[in-house]
Amino acid sequence: DIVMTQTPLSSPVTLGQPASISCRSSQSLVHHNGNTYLSWLHQRPGQPPRLLIYKISNRFSGVPDRFSGSGAGTDFTLRISRVEADDVGIYYCMQTAQLPHTFGQGTKLEIK
Amino acid sequence: QVQLVQYGAEVKKPGSSVKVSCKASRGTFSNYIFIWVRQAPGQGLEWMGRIVPSIGSINYAQKFQGRVTIDADESTSTAYMKLSGLRADDAAIYYCARSGLEFGDPIDYWGQGMVVTVSS
Repeated sequence: DIVMTQTPLSSPVTLGQPASISCRSSQSLVHHNGNTYLSWLHQRPGQPPRLLIYKISNRFSGVPDRFSGSGAGTDFTLRISRVEADDVGIYYCMQTAQLPHTFGQGTKLEIK
Repeated sequence: QVQLVQYGAEVKKPGSSVKVSCKASRGTFSNYIFIWVRQAPGQGLEWMGRIVPSIGSINYAQKFQGRVTIDADESTSTAYMKLSGLRADDAAIYYCARSGLEFGDPIDYWGQGMVVTVSS
């Protein structure tokens, strides 16, 4: 199985400041079709996760442009340009390049 | 608005089984893959398996092989996940989720989850 490793596991951030989360996969997520199947999810307390970003850098419908994704191969980053109060919760990376699909351990974003 | 409807909560005894349902509203059921993910209290997300109703293809995570059964009823747009031989560490929220049929499509919608408690 592909192991997804996120850093940091906890990120205290000041409102209005940027935040960054890294995700590394144990194998390349590049498919022979050229696409890279790495997504980012956000889970608020007591809620199911919701999709933010897919295929490294594509924002899902309704996701603010404060959120951006980057990376290639096995190393990926989620950035929030200016953190808002609503952004608290846990962020997960997820790979859908190979079965079983797997998730990172999660990064808890909290406001300082 | 896409909805994956999952109901409430269940309390089960160790060794018993639980069957979780997930009814999809909006969109053609057979145009999607349905995935089951669980989350133990205070823990992360764990992929359990998936079903592609249009072709009857089912995949399970190795960890759950032999204990989990996933199926779907296209006539009612409902996916099901049954977990047998319940143990205390199976206590979790069980989510159903949906992805498109294209290879690598992300999970785009999630149900609210069903809480399963395992207790004697």
